[in-house]
Amino acid sequence: QKEVEQNSGPLSVPEGAIASLNCTYSDRVSQSFFWYRQYSGKSPELIMSIYSNGDKEDGRFTAQLNKASQYVSLLIRDSQPSDSATYLCAVNRGETSYDKVIFGPGTSLSVIP
Amino acid sequence: KAGVTQTPRYLIKTRGQQVTLSCSPISGHRSVSWYQQTPGQGLQFLFEYFSETQRNKGNFPGRFSGRQFSNSRSEMNVSTLELGDSALYLCASSFTDNRYEQYFGPGTRLTVT
Repeated sequence: QKEVEQNSGPLSVPEGAIASLNCTYSDRVSQSFFWYRQYSGKSPELIMSIYSNGDKEDGRFTAQLNKASQYVSLLIRDSQPSDSATYLCAVNRGETSYDKVIFGPGTSLSVIP
Repeated sequence: KAGVTQTPRYLIKTRGQQVTLSCSPISGHRSVSWYQQTPGQGLQFLFEYFSETQRNKGNFPGRFSGRQFSNSRSEMNVSTLELGDSALYLCASSFTDNRYEQYFGPGTRLTVT
């Protein structure tokens, strides 16, 4: 079982719709969770971080965390063509300062005008 | 605040040569991580440095090495280059806490011929 798993996609949604991106992780003690957006040919950009169970909203983005189910998701409301990118889920155990961040393979999102 | 910078941005090397890549973190960030990104393998962790010490290491051969200087700038070196080393090499910096919110530089695109 891979440490961090995501559906590779591509996920296609029409403009204005809600895009839902999912991520599961294997290490139950993980404490920090991140979503990065990566445009083609560019480097990853941190868009959301979440540390507690529940929802965290930032503009059109909502991150949802369920540690019991080892599941984290990203919702993008009112999707725009500019949201078309690969979204990387990342997880860190955070038990010590020596734990590294593990990235998932990414989900490709395409927002159709 | 200036972002993470990486030099050079593009590099073409011949198989068997060695290469050194440089990364300057965001001011105040003392942790620097290096990643290799390829279409087939995704984002793979190479190593992390904190206060001039390697704190974590990924599953890469010994040809891949790095170091960090007292000003937190970091370099990574790849010796005896192989065709498979062609990739985007990304550097990410973060604060010293356990949250590990990482901020990526633009990357160095290495092509080995």
